[in-house]
Amino acid sequence: GAVVSQHPSWVICKSGTSVKIECRSLDFQATTMFWYRQFPKQSLMLMATSNEGSKATYEQGVEKDKFLINHASLTLSTLTVTSAHPEDSSFYICSANSGGTYNEQFFGPGTRLTVL
Amino acid sequence: RKEVEQDPGPFNVPEGATVAFNCTYSNSASQSFFWYRQDCRKEPKLLMSVYSSGNEDGRFTAQLNRASQYISLLIRDSKLSDSATYLCVVMGQAGTALIFGKGTTLSVSS
Repeated sequence: GAVVSQHPSWVICKSGTSVKIECRSLDFQATTMFWYRQFPKQSLMLMATSNEGSKATYEQGVEKDKFLINHASLTLSTLTVTSAHPEDSSFYICSANSGGTYNEQFFGPGTRLTVL
Repeated sequence: RKEVEQDPGPFNVPEGATVAFNCTYSNSASQSFFWYRQDCRKEPKLLMSVYSSGNEDGRFTAQLNRASQYISLLIRDSKLSDSATYLCVVMGQAGTALIFGKGTTLSVSS
């Protein structure tokens, strides 16, 4: 299947710092990528839809000024968690639609963020 | 009502058992359906898409009933390596975000 990479795979930071997470589609172009968050023992929850060349669409309850999304090219979307706090500690996963016949989405390996 | 609901888990079965997972979805306009597998602390990986006619991939069989808004996954001859959380996933229009069920945990023991 299609390959999506994510970097970093894990990060530990102090409260108040900003963390940038990169999501890349390696062998296909993705006009749309998605950012999800997963807390322990819970399902993945969509945070925002990242659109190449335009503003991201955020889900209700997700602060756009806190979770900055940039989709500058067809293969790269970034999520920046600004002024991170311990409650932002979570597993952040991106996905991209491969454009296949059945619209399969492929996920990056995820980034585990721990805010101290 | 949640958008995607799955059987509560966990399912604990011996090797070789057959196990079935059920899922219902609330949006009748949903167009694409999938089963994903997620291992502990890993990203979800696509197990199989679910087609209206039903489809089979080795030991795995998926069924879709649009009238009942119901999706199922059957795993035959369970292996230890099948132990994971199985996510029922629905997509609305093409290219939109996926909507995940909470997942059902399967534990296969020897």
